[in-house]
Amino acid sequence: AQTVTQSQPEMSVQEAETVTLSCTYDTSENNYYLFWYKQPPSRQMILVIRQEAYKQQNATENRFSVNFQKAAKSFSLKISDSQLGDTAMYFCAFMDRNTPLVFGKGTRLSVIA
Amino acid sequence: EPEVTQTPSHQVTQMGQEVILRCVPISNHLYFYWYRQILGQKVEFLVSFYNNEISEKSEIFDDQFSVERPDGSNFTLKIRSTKLEDSAMYFCASARLAGGPLDTQYFGPGTRLTVL
Repeated sequence: AQTVTQSQPEMSVQEAETVTLSCTYDTSENNYYLFWYKQPPSRQMILVIRQEAYKQQNATENRFSVNFQKAAKSFSLKISDSQLGDTAMYFCAFMDRNTPLVFGKGTRLSVIA
Repeated sequence: EPEVTQTPSHQVTQMGQEVILRCVPISNHLYFYWYRQILGQKVEFLVSFYNNEISEKSEIFDDQFSVERPDGSNFTLKIRSTKLEDSAMYFCASARLAGGPLDTQYFGPGTRLTVL
């Protein structure tokens, strides 16, 4: 079964600094999607960024970018110019054609003023 | 921008009672999902629904659970006889899936279910 591992339960970063959240996954599939979702204190699940495995170029969305290393099965999220509103739980998630979304346990990010 | 909506935002019920959680997926989406998140834990898949039938379900989705799309807009999750351990946040999600089995799932704001 596919698994997603987030090895950092908690992280903190100073406002305006850059932080990287780690995620690794395990699959034998070649075609899949990877996601980062943000869950603020309201507990709503908000899509941050998506990466298709067949794309070599790393996805970017404004201040958010990923480092996708397919061979290493690694999918880290970089947040640049961190803002107080970035404080949230961040979940890494995996999906392939036969598997619904599988989530990691999450990383709690605190942005400190 | 279209979004998934869920009602109610918070539901409190007595153990053994039936509850129905409601979701309105994004209108042109074809695939619908329910997930749950017990407080402090990760999000877990419950069931997916496509073309008016369940396409996949997890071990969690036992006979106490059922899903239905009663009309063209609503998608419901019913828990027949709630247990204390059903207390969780329940998320509905939908995906367009127009181009194949892989597509982004968009989540609703969740319903917090508390079983007393």
